[in-house]
Order: sequence, then C-alpha cells, then structure tokens
Amino acid sequence: DVKVTQSSRYLVKRTGEKVFLECVQDMDHENMFWYRQDPGLGLRLIYFSYDVKMKEKGDIPEGYSVSREKKERFSLILESASTNQTSMYLCASSRLAGGLETQYFGPGTRLLVL
Amino acid sequence: RKEVEQDPGPFNVPEGATVAFNCTYSNSASQSFFWYRQDCRKEPKLLMSVYSSGNEDGRFTAQLNRASQYISLLIRDSKLSDSATYLCVVKRTGNTGKLIFGQGTTLQVKP
Repeated sequence: DVKVTQSSRYLVKRTGEKVFLECVQDMDHENMFWYRQDPGLGLRLIYFSYDVKMKEKGDIPEGYSVSREKKERFSLILESASTNQTSMYLCASSRLAGGLETQYFGPGTRLLVL
Repeated sequence: RKEVEQDPGPFNVPEGATVAFNCTYSNSASQSFFWYRQDCRKEPKLLMSVYSSGNEDGRFTAQLNRASQYISLLIRDSKLSDSATYLCVVKRTGNTGKLIFGQGTTLQVKP
C-alpha cells in the first residue's frame, strides 16, 4: 500500500514565523507535489519535483520554497508566514511515467497563521 | 477562465438515484483525464481514470468527449457512502505528471 505521510495534521503559527512542512513517501516515486486547497478555489499547485534536487514552480509559488534532498522527502517552506497562507496543504507523489499514473496524497496539514 | 470547470453543486439526491456530473476543460492538448473523490476533511483519492471510449467501474461510468472538451461521471443507484466531493482532473501533456484539478462537485446522498 502506498503511503504518503505529512509531519503534522494541524499547525498554528504566528505571522512572520518560518514554517516547515514535511512530506515522506515510501513507494520510491520520482514525482512529488505540494498543493494548497481553499474553499471555492480547489487544489492549486505550489511546487513540484520530478527528481532529487530538482524543483519546478507550480501555479502559485510566491511566498513558498521547497527542498528535495532525498527521493522520499519533499519539504515545503514558508519563509515568513502570512495570514493569507492559512490553508490546507496537501502533499502528493506519483511515478515518473506518461499517461495514467495516479497521484497519491498525504492526509494534509491544516495551517492556521495568526 | 479556469482550465478545468465543474458545477460546485451541492447535488442533493435520494438513495437509489442516478446522478451525473459534468466537467469542461479548456486546454485541447490535455492528455489524460481522471475523477478523484475527496471525503470531508480527507485527502483526494483516485476514483477512476477516463478513457476515450468511456469506461465503467461498477455503478460508476466515465465518459470523455475530446471534440467538446467535456468529461462526465455518472453514478447509478446512489448510496449514502457516495456522499463526497468529486474532483475532475486533467493531465497536461509531457511526463512531469502535473495534474490540473477542478474545484469539485459536492454530492450529498440522503436516506
């Protein structure tokens, strides 16, 4: 069974704090993704990575950075958290293959920035 | 205009009803198509891929119309456990695996 885990289910931070969200997958997947999900906006891609040390901007990368030092781990960093970054953050992974590969999601981290 | 558009609903139907969800996509170069299901406060999970010829999985039928850039999901004999948000998902061409998600259609099946 594919497993994608995220370091926290719920997180409360203050404006200006540096925030680290960790994601680990155990299926040796090449691709990893970070999304945020907000009511009425759906899932929006922040960053993704298709290999160790590789990263690509998604649709809303502003205010975020990522790190992929090991194949199984993909970290999302909020350099200076702001209230508009309050959201549900979802990590996903998939194989590097064309066609119908499935993305597997972690349980999500609900981040509240005060 | 969003790249993938869905009617957000909610759709409220009685048990046993047949319900259909529609989705349109704007990028004609889109390669692959999926329906994901997301239960309340849970992560999305793949429900089914959508093939050009249409495909069925039990009570669920997915259709793709490339000419009209339109995808549908039909659920027959609705169960209470079908209550969830259904996400229409499109994959862009290329091998990076990027998916584009619609905002989802919420289904509530009532006893």
